Amino acid sequence: GENVEQHPSTLSVQEGDSAVIKCTYSDSASNYFPWYKQELGKGPQLIIDIRSNVGEKKDQRIAVTLNKTAKHFSLHITETQPEDSAVYFCAASRGGSSYKLIFGSGTRLLVRP
Amino acid sequence: DSGVTQTPKHLITATGQRVTLRCSPRSGDLSVYWYQQSLDQGLQFLIQYYNGEERAKGNILERFSAQQFPDLHSELNLSSLELGDSALYFCASSVSGQGSEKLFFGSGTQLSVL
Repeated sequence: GENVEQHPSTLSVQEGDSAVIKCTYSDSASNYFPWYKQELGKGPQLIIDIRSNVGEKKDQRIAVTLNKTAKHFSLHITETQPEDSAVYFCAASRGGSSYKLIFGSGTRLLVRP
Repeated sequence: DSGVTQTPKHLITATGQRVTLRCSPRSGDLSVYWYQQSLDQGLQFLIQYYNGEERAKGNILERFSAQQFPDLHSELNLSSLELGDSALYFCASSVSGQGSEKLFFGSGTQLSVL
């Protein structure tokens, strides 16, 4: 069945450094790849997404890259700040009228001041 | 604030009981989704509704059921509760339920089964 693997499970970086989180998906028909940030006591919040016709997308300090051939995509956060500390989830879905967004297992990011 | 409202925020109940979780989608969104988040299983898709009709099903137990009403709010009913049903239950919504839309999540209902 559909599966999304996410690594690492925990990541600790110094403030100002970059953080990279990687995901691999199994369903070759997947064409939409969002990233969510979940802070303590809150629901997941969409921070960036990419569609399969695009290889890279940037939004200020965050960027996502997609390699369709290898079926993996990554989240890059530059100049990390303490408020970036949270759990990050990657996800994948295929197009169509039914929407099963399959999530990775999450990465707990800690940015040390 | 995502615009998706979930009630209650916390629910404590006993094994064997039945509970109802409620979700109001963002204004204008026709599709509602339910997810279960537990420590060992991560975020698991349960079920999707679009404009009152079931559209997709995930690993939803037979003891669980959901519906979406004409005013587009949704309820998730959990019955014959077991200890293992303790989890965070999230509702999300999107405009038309297509597989590449942005999904907006509520703050969740924390269910504790004692």
